[in-house]
Amino acid sequence: QSALTQPPSVSGSPGQSVTISCTGTSSDIGYYNRVSWYQQPPGTAPKLMIYEVSNRPSGVPARFSGSKSGNTASLTISGLQTEDEAEYYCCSYTSSSTYVVFGGGTKLTVL
Amino acid sequence: QVQLVQSGAEVKEPGASLKVSCKASGYTFTGYYFHWVRQAPGQGLEWMGWINPNSGITNYAQKFQGRVTMTRDTSITTASMELSRLRSDDTAVYYCARGSNSLYPVLYYFDYWGQGALVTVSS
Repeated sequence: QSALTQPPSVSGSPGQSVTISCTGTSSDIGYYNRVSWYQQPPGTAPKLMIYEVSNRPSGVPARFSGSKSGNTASLTISGLQTEDEAEYYCCSYTSSSTYVVFGGGTKLTVL
Repeated sequence: QVQLVQSGAEVKEPGASLKVSCKASGYTFTGYYFHWVRQAPGQGLEWMGWINPNSGITNYAQKFQGRVTMTRDTSITTASMELSRLRSDDTAVYYCARGSNSLYPVLYYFDYWGQGALVTVSS
């Protein structure tokens, strides 16, 4: 069981928007602005999409945005494209001795 | 461009040790933390620890304390991770990943990743 809770799957049609939620606790997401999101197509390494809740690395399209409210972080992808189809993982710093916790991953299907 | 190139796949027997290396290029090696993250087959990501290649200081997740050792060789811009007393549930793809600026306290995000090294633990 992962420390952060994500929905197993979400789907949307090209051009639509989807939001992936990531729920933690007051020891991780709720206390620290150290949330990041990773995209992982099958058979490849993860790619950083969002860091520190809402910052996009250079090269990541503006269609990807992040936010946080209380113990829940969210990744929103607008204007869905077929190449967005992948597994998405959230990640947060935690005050526990594990230091870093990941979500279980959400499979995004673009119909 | 930033590249992290890892050593290849390995098969290990239970009780043995594994060592995965990660060759960095395209940036100042000592300027950024190195993290190690693993992913069991069909499972999610699990953070193992970090090393500051500037100072050599390490920090490990409690789960791996006593079994993991992270090192770096600045002369060949390579970071390595050794895991001992392997068990079958250590079967996973092991990734190295670049972290934040090593001159400052570590921030736990990972902006460049190696291609991964599959380690299979089986008798």
